[in-house]
This record gives sequence, C-alpha cells and structure tokens, in this order.
Amino acid sequence: EIVLTQSPATLSLSPGERATLSCRASQSVGKLLAWFQQRPGRAPRLLIYDASNRATGIPARFSGSGSGTDFTLTISSLEPEDFAVYYCQQRSNWRSTFGQGTKLEIK
Amino acid sequence: QVQLQESGPGLVKPSETLSLACTVSGYSINSPFSWGWIRQPPGKGLEWIANIYHSGTTYYNPSLESRVNISIDTPTNQFSLKLRSVTAADTAVYYCGRGFSFDYWGQGALVTVSS
Repeated sequence: EIVLTQSPATLSLSPGERATLSCRASQSVGKLLAWFQQRPGRAPRLLIYDASNRATGIPARFSGSGSGTDFTLTISSLEPEDFAVYYCQQRSNWRSTFGQGTKLEIK
Repeated sequence: QVQLQESGPGLVKPSETLSLACTVSGYSINSPFSWGWIRQPPGKGLEWIANIYHSGTTYYNPSLESRVNISIDTPTNQFSLKLRSVTAADTAVYYCGRGFSFDYWGQGALVTVSS
C-alpha cells in the first residue's frame, strides 16, 4: 500500500498570507495525485487533480506541483473560506489512498 | 449538472451487512468514468473503499476487499455498496463519488453500527 504523509499536521496563518502544504508518497505515484478541501460538516471538494490541474470552478490562488513522491499545494493569498482541512490522494495502480490531512487554521 | 445522492439505513447491527445505494442524476453512469465509495469515521480522515466501471470491472481497498462488494445498475443510474460483518469500527460517513479522482461527491450518509 502506498502511504501518503502530509505536513504539517496543522498550519496557522492569517488571511492574505501564503500557505504551502506538503504531501510525500512512500513510492512514486507519477502525477496521479489530487488535493481536496474539506470544510466542517461538508463533503470534500476536489481542488487539484493529476498533481497540477485545477478542477472546474477552483480559484487561481490554488496551485499544485510535484511528481513522483513529493507534492505541494500552494494557496497564494488566503481567503477566510480557505481555512479548512486539506487531504492529498493518490490513485496509482488502480488503488487509492489518502494522506492524514493538514488542518489550516486562522492564526 | 452532475449530482450524487447516497441512500440506505442509518443504523446497522454488528455482524450484519451495511447496504448503501448512490443515485446519479444529470450524467449517465454508462460513461468512461468509474464510480466509487469513500468513508470517513467521525473525527478522522478519508478512506477509499472501492470503484467500479459500467463494464462491471471493480477495484477494492485490499484492507476491506474480503468484506466488500460494489455493483452497478445502469438502467436505474445507480451503483451500490455492501459491507458484510460490520463492527463499530465501520461507523462512518459514507460518500459516493465519480471517478478515481472523485470530482463530484454525494453529501454523505452517516451509518452507525450499534446494537
């Protein structure tokens, strides 16, 4: 099983600041990595697929990068609605696993 | 607009079978996309369960494979999940979604395993 490790577990920032979230895979997943945002009481929402492609309707302040085992989600300037939990997900070899999540909280 | 809706009992007894259905509207289930299930125990992270294509080809989480069955019914535009021999550890919100990248999600269905 491919294990995804997200860091940090919690990130405390202020609106307007830049957020950088990391996801590391235990073995290469190529570019088959996605990022999701989950607000309390809501279903997750796809932000980024295939490492760097924004999903439909996702603002340009969200960007993804990386390949192989190291991936990054960047939020260029935080809006109040961006404070949530973020998960990375890999889908290689017709299986899928999720990272444990990064909680982005208001400082 | 693609919409998914989970349905099924909210309470299941230990050792019994959890059964959920996902109804897709606004998009044909008979498409190149797969359709899948993910769950989230209260206060915890996400766990992928299984995906299925309209052809019937299935993919399962190895940790659940011995207890899970996913099926698809193209005439009704639905797909379903069955999880056998449930325990309290299977208590979770169960989500259905489109594709392995889950670009569309249902709102989720809380299933509690308790006697």
